[in-house]
This record gives sequence, structure tokens and C-alpha cells, in this order.
Amino acid sequence: AQRVTQPEKLLSVFKGAPVELKCNYSYSGSPELFWYVQYSRQRLQLLLRHISRESIKGFTADLNKGETSFHLKKPFAQEEDSAMYYCALALSGGYNKLIFGAGTRLAVHP
Amino acid sequence: NAGVTQTPKFRVLKTGQSMTLLCAQDMNHEYMYWYRQDPGMGLRLIHYSVGEGTTAKGEVPDGYNVSRLKKQNFLLGLESAAPSQTSVYFCASSPRPGLDETGELFFGEGSRLTVL
Repeated sequence: AQRVTQPEKLLSVFKGAPVELKCNYSYSGSPELFWYVQYSRQRLQLLLRHISRESIKGFTADLNKGETSFHLKKPFAQEEDSAMYYCALALSGGYNKLIFGAGTRLAVHP
Repeated sequence: NAGVTQTPKFRVLKTGQSMTLLCAQDMNHEYMYWYRQDPGMGLRLIHYSVGEGTTAKGEVPDGYNVSRLKKQNFLLGLESAAPSQTSVYFCASSPRPGLDETGELFFGEGSRLTVL
């Protein structure tokens, strides 16, 4: 079965500390994975996708097929990074259908 | 450019009542989706549409119906609401992606529905 697991509901760090938001997936084929973010009073929006291998707002995520993981990392957290982060997996069959993990709330304290 | 607009944003229903959630997008996107989000769970796909006049079931379609009579609108209906349908509902739209890629989803602000 296709599944996305985010084991942490809340991650609390201080400004300047490294951040790692965990995501594990279950998928039999070649996965397409994404991170979406929802800032306070804003809509859910795409942060990055593994296929583009880009860094957005200092965040990176590497797909590890051996560990079936797609953890989101940032070396130095900023207060404006505080938000809900959702890992998502594209379902088979196309049409941009995604399944989402339960989300991790990142709280960055001054 | 409003993007994806959902109405209403809040609604309280009694068990057995019916209602319709409206989603409108002004980006000329081909694909549209309805998700629900419950506490402690990720967004789950209810129904989706890949074009005007087409709809398909997602992960959790039971108790819901949808229609896409116009490309810009995607309606989600509850014929007989149940307390288990208390949730936050999100609409999203997406352009048709290129070959071998998954497109970005653009989300509405969400609609909070409570069924008593």
C-alpha cells in the first residue's frame, strides 16, 4: 500500500539550529515525492520536489530509496520557517494525485 | 488573480442535511481535487477531476458526490451529512503536467464543516 509517514507531530528548535523533518514512504514503484508547507494564515503550498533537486528557502531534501525516506533539512533555522510541513507522494496512475503525511509542526524559537 | 476559492469557509449541519461546497479556480487548470483533513491525519483525496465533465473517485469517496460542469468549478456534495464527515475540506487545482512529471497543486483556504 502507498503510505507517507511523518513520525513527529512537533519539532521545536532554536533559531540558528539545524532542522531535520522526517518523512518515510511506502511505494512499490519509482516514487515522486514533495514537501508542502503551510505558514500561519496562508494556504498550503509547494516547497520543493525531489525530482528537481533544488534548494528552496535554504531547505533541501534527498530521496533515499534504500531507507525509503525523504527527510527535509535546513542547516540554520529561522523564525520565519515556523509552519506546518507536509510530505507528499504521487499516487500511481498519474493526474497529479498526491497522498500526504499527517504533517509536522516546526516551531523555531528566538 | 484569486487562485482557488472555496465557499463557504465555515458551515454547521445537522445529521441528515445536505450541502454543497463550491470550488472555483481562475488559472485555467485542467485538474481539480477535493481533499479532507482530519486531526492527526494527512490530507486524504475524496474525488478528483481531470477535465470538464469528468470525475473520478479518490481514497475516501463514500458519502460524497462531485460534479464538474464547468472547467473552473468543482462541486462537492454531501447528500445526507453524518458526524463522521466533520472535517476541513480542501480544494486544489493543477495544470496538466509535462511528460513523466507530477505537477504542483494549488490549494484553496479550506472549508471547515461540522456535522452535529
